[in-house]
Amino acid sequence: EVQLVESGGGLVQPGESLRLSCAASGFTFSSYWMTWVRQAPGKGLEWVANIKQDGSETSYVDSVKGRFTISRDNAKSSLYLQMSGLRAEDTALYYCARVTGYDDGSGRYYRDVWGKGTTVTVSS
Amino acid sequence: DIQMTQSPSSLSASVGDRVTITCRASQSIRTYLNWYQQKAGKAPKVLIYAASSLQSGVPSRFSGSGSGTDFTLTISSLQPEDFATYYCQQSHSTPVTFGQGTKLEIK
Repeated sequence: EVQLVESGGGLVQPGESLRLSCAASGFTFSSYWMTWVRQAPGKGLEWVANIKQDGSETSYVDSVKGRFTISRDNAKSSLYLQMSGLRAEDTALYYCARVTGYDDGSGRYYRDVWGKGTTVTVSS
Repeated sequence: DIQMTQSPSSLSASVGDRVTITCRASQSIRTYLNWYQQKAGKAPKVLIYAASSLQSGVPSRFSGSGSGTDFTLTISSLQPEDFATYYCQQSHSTPVTFGQGTKLEIK
């Protein structure tokens, strides 16, 4: 069964750090781009970061640049999100998702497998 | 950044109804548009990718159309399990952006 399981969320104070993990199983992890998407309480979906199959390319939403780092360990089939300088507005449910390319060769993609998410709360 | 605007923000409908949700991009995104369904307390699930391609395992009552800036998601005959929130998402350029969501409720 294809599965993603996030962990590492919790309650932290503003300015603190947290590392999220996502364990993948049931597919060849090293063959896929991976991504983090978050959802603030009662709000919509917000893309956070992407990482290429070999980790050589990453991209971030402007609001987390310089504070968050996405990484992966293909040997462990794991994805990570190192978050530092956390702010109240980072409070959200963080989803790990697999990125799959369109079958038209356009190089565009969609998120076809999602974990259940891990909750990050930033509050004093 | 490309802004995605969905309409309506909420919608009440009955089982068996035909429902259409609209998504508009702030600039042309060709057909680089995906639709997701999210049920309460659950992770999103992809329904449609590349504007009109049905994801494997998704019922055929779901369909997508459009190109450029205007897109639609249609549910041909609403089923009880379809009551959820729907999001469009552009994959034309980074940053990937989502619409604000359309909450589909039972009338």
